Amino acid sequence: EDQVTQSPEALRLQEGESSSLNCSYTVSGLRGLFWYRQDPGKGPEFLFTLYSAGEEKEKERLKATLTKKESFLHITAPKPEDSATYLCAVQAATGNQFYFGTGTSLTVIP
Amino acid sequence: DAGVTQSPTHLIKTRGQHVTLRCSPISGHKSVSWYQQVLGQGPQFIFQYYEKEERGRGNFPDRFSARQFPNYSSELNVNALLLGDSALYLCASSFPGETQYFGPGTRLLVL
Repeated sequence: EDQVTQSPEALRLQEGESSSLNCSYTVSGLRGLFWYRQDPGKGPEFLFTLYSAGEEKEKERLKATLTKKESFLHITAPKPEDSATYLCAVQAATGNQFYFGTGTSLTVIP
Repeated sequence: DAGVTQSPTHLIKTRGQHVTLRCSPISGHKSVSWYQQVLGQGPQFIFQYYEKEERGRGNFPDRFSARQFPNYSSELNVNALLLGDSALYLCASSFPGETQYFGPGTRLLVL
């Protein structure tokens, strides 16, 4: 069964304190792994797509990496405006369905 | 360019009623997917439509149905509403098999 597990569930960081969020997955052939940011009461905002192990993508203070079993979202020197829930999703090679994890709620304290 | 749009933004219904939610995809996208997100959980897949045909269905009861129109917009219908149907309903559009872009969602409250 295709599954996505995110950890930690919640993370509190001081402004400038770098950290990483984890997304581990089991899927019958990976077509793509996706990271989204979601603010309370809003739809998920697309951040990155990763397709193969070893791939890395960067955007401002965020960097996403992918291995055969997990992905990391590294946050460097976070700011309060980075506070949000970060969602990871995978798409299997067969079918079009996205499987989401439950997310990591990040709070960055000034 | 306009992103994915959804209507209404908020909706309050009572148990047993019926609801219709609407979604307009990003221009050029022909695939639309629907998700249910309960507070504190990740989005759960309900349906995917491409070229007006159902291409995937999640583990939801037959009370949930959807359709896609010739202009690629879509409707999600839920019959005989239950308290547990209260959630944020998300629509996402994409090119087939590629990154999905989400709308702002419709917040449904069932009393």
